[in-house]
Amino acid sequence: QSVLTQPPSASGAPGQRVTISCSGGSSNVGNRRVNWYQKLPGTAPKLLIFTNDQRPSGVPYRFSASKSGTSASLAISGLQSEDEADYYCAAWDDRLNNWVFGGGTKLTVL
Amino acid sequence: EMQLVESGGGLVQPGGSLRLSCAASGFNFVNYWMTWVRQAPGKGLEWVANIDQDGSEEYYVGSVKGRFTISRDNAKELLYLQMNSLRADDTATYYCARINNPPNTWSNRFDAFDVWGPGTVVSVSS
Repeated sequence: QSVLTQPPSASGAPGQRVTISCSGGSSNVGNRRVNWYQKLPGTAPKLLIFTNDQRPSGVPYRFSASKSGTSASLAISGLQSEDEADYYCAAWDDRLNNWVFGGGTKLTVL
Repeated sequence: EMQLVESGGGLVQPGGSLRLSCAASGFNFVNYWMTWVRQAPGKGLEWVANIDQDGSEEYYVGSVKGRFTISRDNAKELLYLQMNSLRADDTATYYCARINNPPNTWSNRFDAFDVWGPGTVVSVSS
């Protein structure tokens, strides 16, 4: 059972927009920055979004994110086949004094 | 090019020990917090441990406290994870990562994990 809650799966057709939610509490998402990672099978995770809504250099503008209260969300617009991956949110938890990840959302491009 | 490469994984019996290493290159290693993250087969990502720039501050996930020790050698630009009393549920791919909000040149423990190694596989089985 993950501290941060994500839907196990999401899907969309090429070109569509899909959102992935991440729900936490006051000790993590509510008071700390949220980061998002993309994980392709057999490869290392990749930082997609940091500090709630910031894109590292090289991450396409199609990827965006936001945070409100104890929830965060990742949006992918103009869905492409190469976006098919697992997506994880993460935040520091002040109560546990450690990083917590969401359980991950498997994105399928139909 | 910034790079991290893990080594030291393998098959070990329950109760055994392993030491993982992570070699850093292409950036000023001494300026950054570093971390270990693992992924068990078929499971999600799990943070394992963090260490600050000079090795004086460490944090661990509860399930490894007292069994795992994170450390670093800044002169050699190496990060370590000493794993003792290994259990079957420690079986995972272990990744080292740099902690940083790009493009900063100094990090704190609340920053993101921006550079990752390819991982090393640890299997705990009799």
